[in-house]
Amino acid sequence: GENVEQHPSTLSVQEGDSAVIKCTYSDSASNYFPWYKQELGKRPQLIIDIRSNVGEKKDQRIAVTLNKTAKHFSLHITETQPEDSAVYFCADQRSGGSNYKLTFGKGTLLTVNP
Amino acid sequence: DGGITQSPKYLFRKEGQNVTLSCEQNLNHDAMYWYRQDPGQGLRLIYYSQIVNDFQKGDIAEGYSVSREKKESFPLTVTSAQKNPTAFYLCASRTGTANTGELFFGEGSRLTVL
Repeated sequence: GENVEQHPSTLSVQEGDSAVIKCTYSDSASNYFPWYKQELGKRPQLIIDIRSNVGEKKDQRIAVTLNKTAKHFSLHITETQPEDSAVYFCADQRSGGSNYKLTFGKGTLLTVNP
Repeated sequence: DGGITQSPKYLFRKEGQNVTLSCEQNLNHDAMYWYRQDPGQGLRLIYYSQIVNDFQKGDIAEGYSVSREKKESFPLTVTSAQKNPTAFYLCASRTGTANTGELFFGEGSRLTVL
């Protein structure tokens, strides 16, 4: 099937350290790769995204990199803070005509220890 | 106040009964999605719709049905054919005119089958 594999499933870091979450996809037609953050008891929210024609994108402490050849993309969080603790989901989007199917990975539970 | 509203927030159902989850948005979004969230499984796509009167099956559509008679509404029916319906269901919407864009999620509906 067409899956997005996400690793690791859990990640624990000390405050101030960096965190990296990696996702791989299988369909070369995938063209859009967003990352969502879901805090406990809340709805998922977009934190950063990248299109297939871009290799890297940064927004303050958050960055996403895309390697189209290897079919993987990664989320990088620097100088982690306790409020970064949440479940992070990667996703990829394939287009089929006018239909845009957005498929998520299984999520990574990030815990930032003070 | 624009947003996406799901109801009910909690729902209990007896085995063999169908149940319909409501999803309404006033964001003027073309595209709407239904995801199911289970622990350790991430967000799995059930159905999605890019325009009114059109929808596509996602990765786990069996035992579910949807309709898209109005742009604002995308109800999900969990039928008795769904083998394991107890889960947290998330509805989302976004603009459908481009193949990128933030997915706005509702607060979710938690269905428990007794």
